[in-house]
Amino acid sequence: NAGVTQTPKFQVLKTGQSMTLQCAQDMNHNSMYWYRQDPGMGLRLIYYSASEGTTDKGEVPNGYNVSRLNKREFSLRLESAAPSQTSVYFCASSERGWGTVSSYEQYFGPGTRLTVT
Amino acid sequence: GENVEQHPSTLSVQEGDSAVIKCTYSDSASNYFPWYKQELGKRPQLIIDIRSNVGEKKDQRIAVTLNKTAKHFSLHITETQPEDSAVYFCAATKTGANNLFFGTGTRLTVIP
Repeated sequence: NAGVTQTPKFQVLKTGQSMTLQCAQDMNHNSMYWYRQDPGMGLRLIYYSASEGTTDKGEVPNGYNVSRLNKREFSLRLESAAPSQTSVYFCASSERGWGTVSSYEQYFGPGTRLTVT
Repeated sequence: GENVEQHPSTLSVQEGDSAVIKCTYSDSASNYFPWYKQELGKRPQLIIDIRSNVGEKKDQRIAVTLNKTAKHFSLHITETQPEDSAVYFCAATKTGANNLFFGTGTRLTVIP
């Protein structure tokens, strides 16, 4: 049981390049999330997928797109990278069963450190 | 939506002393309040949580208290140890919401 996995762990891009961050979970969770973490800014939600087949914008969605490929996988795409997107990106998942508040516990992946020059 | 504020942003304590981190929330319907710990270079991990029908919860050296009337909750760490040094995040949500709402984090440093 690997939990939540992310690839790659590190990435350096030049301004204008594109890339996709991959995330997968093997816990049969319904919901998946993408966060970015900048110094002093905490965890900011980029996009989330409450269930397979749905995606919604979070707090900071501009410059990103997502795809919920299936129940296990949730990818984050940067179409044209900008230096402001330099950050650590975390994927997370939660069971999120209806009416079960404790199922909101989120399990995080190891993170992807992205630098855009 | 929910707005969670967390204080202080940094906290330094001597080993063996207690540490307290406080959070306030805006949505009176919120009913689940977890705390996450993030060690340097690692992923955030849940350390304790509390539901709105409980006023206090303890797990060894850590405890969380909730005041629904004032809409605030706190993390208490007693007998701090160097391995408690980390960034701590509070969060809040309610039944039916789509995600957790995180505070901005507190960097705790325990000085040996």
